[in-house]
Amino acid sequence: DSGVTQTPKHLITATGQRVTLRCSPRSGDLSVYWYQQSLDQGLQFLIQYYNGEERAKGNILERFSAQQFPDLHSELNLSSLELGDSALYFCASSENAFRDSYNEQFFGPGTRLTVL
Amino acid sequence: GQNIDQPTEMTATEGAIVQINCTYQTSGFNGLFWYQQHAGEAPTFLSYNVLDGLEEKGRFSSFLSRSKGYSYLLLKELQMKDSASYLCAPMFSGGYNKLIFGAGTRLAVHP
Repeated sequence: DSGVTQTPKHLITATGQRVTLRCSPRSGDLSVYWYQQSLDQGLQFLIQYYNGEERAKGNILERFSAQQFPDLHSELNLSSLELGDSALYFCASSENAFRDSYNEQFFGPGTRLTVL
Repeated sequence: GQNIDQPTEMTATEGAIVQINCTYQTSGFNGLFWYQQHAGEAPTFLSYNVLDGLEEKGRFSSFLSRSKGYSYLLLKELQMKDSASYLCAPMFSGGYNKLIFGAGTRLAVHP
């Protein structure tokens, strides 16, 4: 158990819908990262937050958005869902995220999203 | 992109040794992580290399050559539970702890 929690574990929805995935980082961690992993694909970095502010953006679609709240939990919002959005969505956290520094990322168990 | 390249699949026998290679673009390189991921589960940290050389941690070792843009993960005394994907993830300068993951190498360990 990494200490990172994600809810829900599974989510089944229809095309065109909107969903919200939630992540609580490990106690004391200030940085949160979101990744998407489609079937048999690698982890694709979506977005990173540090202490409430966006720090880095990856290949995140405009239909997707995220935020980190004052209590440091984060939410990933996916809208106008398409079949291709079906994937495992992982959240990770690290203690901090200073420029050019190293901090191990701890991954949550993931949310499996199925779009029908 | 960072041109991260690792073999897609490998097979090995229980008790044997296997080496999983990873190459990446050297420009701006700032360190490299290896993660293990069992199917449908979260990735878990295995190792981090920033200097050239071999880092040993029990049955797992990781090697880095910064000038060659090359790393490998060495797994010894393979066990069935080592069947998993192994993800190479370099870091590049200018980033804030952001990892770019390779596609991963799926390792199957057979009796």
